[in-house]
Amino acid sequence: GNSVTQMEGPVTLSEEAFLTINCTYTATGYPSLFWYVQYPGEGLQLLLKATKADDKGSNKGFEATYRKETTSFHLEKGSVQVSDSAVYFCAAANNAGNMLTFGGGTRLMVKP
Amino acid sequence: DAGVTQSPTHLIKTRGQQVTLRCSPKSGHDTVSWYQQALGQGPQFIFQYYEEEERQRGNFPDRFSGHQFPNYSSELNVNALLLGDSALYLCASSLGQGDYEQYFGPGTRLTVT
Repeated sequence: GNSVTQMEGPVTLSEEAFLTINCTYTATGYPSLFWYVQYPGEGLQLLLKATKADDKGSNKGFEATYRKETTSFHLEKGSVQVSDSAVYFCAAANNAGNMLTFGGGTRLMVKP
Repeated sequence: DAGVTQSPTHLIKTRGQQVTLRCSPKSGHDTVSWYQQALGQGPQFIFQYYEEEERQRGNFPDRFSGHQFPNYSSELNVNALLLGDSALYLCASSLGQGDYEQYFGPGTRLTVT
């Protein structure tokens, strides 16, 4: 099956700093890739996705590019805000598209 | 547009007991998946229901079972609870069995003492 590895947190940044959260995957074939965000006390929200190599997913200033050469899907944002403080999860879908495998999550803390 | 709803919000059970968690999918969705999220970890896939049948199952023992009703809502049942079953249980809904976009509910926090 698939496996997803993401950098451990917490990641602590000052407001307006540049964000990178690394994510790599192991899979048979080319799975669809996702970033989800979880705010305190809430469920997961889909942040962005990419379904094939070289696709770039983007939403709310966040971006991630599907790199099959490095089997990576790193999350980036040019200028973080305090409201971006949350836990971010990278995930890969199986070939049937009906099962998500998640990484362990990376907690982001943004200070004013 | 109603999102995914789950009940109850919190639950405390004793080891060896049985528990039932409930999920109503997002309006228009017909597929429900269940995930277990232990504290500080990523969610792990338990199983998925489509057309009232279990279509895919993760690496969970038979103590974990489920059901989907004709209105697409779903239940997760866990028998013979263990302390290690304490977790946040997340329900996700999607449209169609192979749809990649899963919408998650707020979860049910289960504590086993």
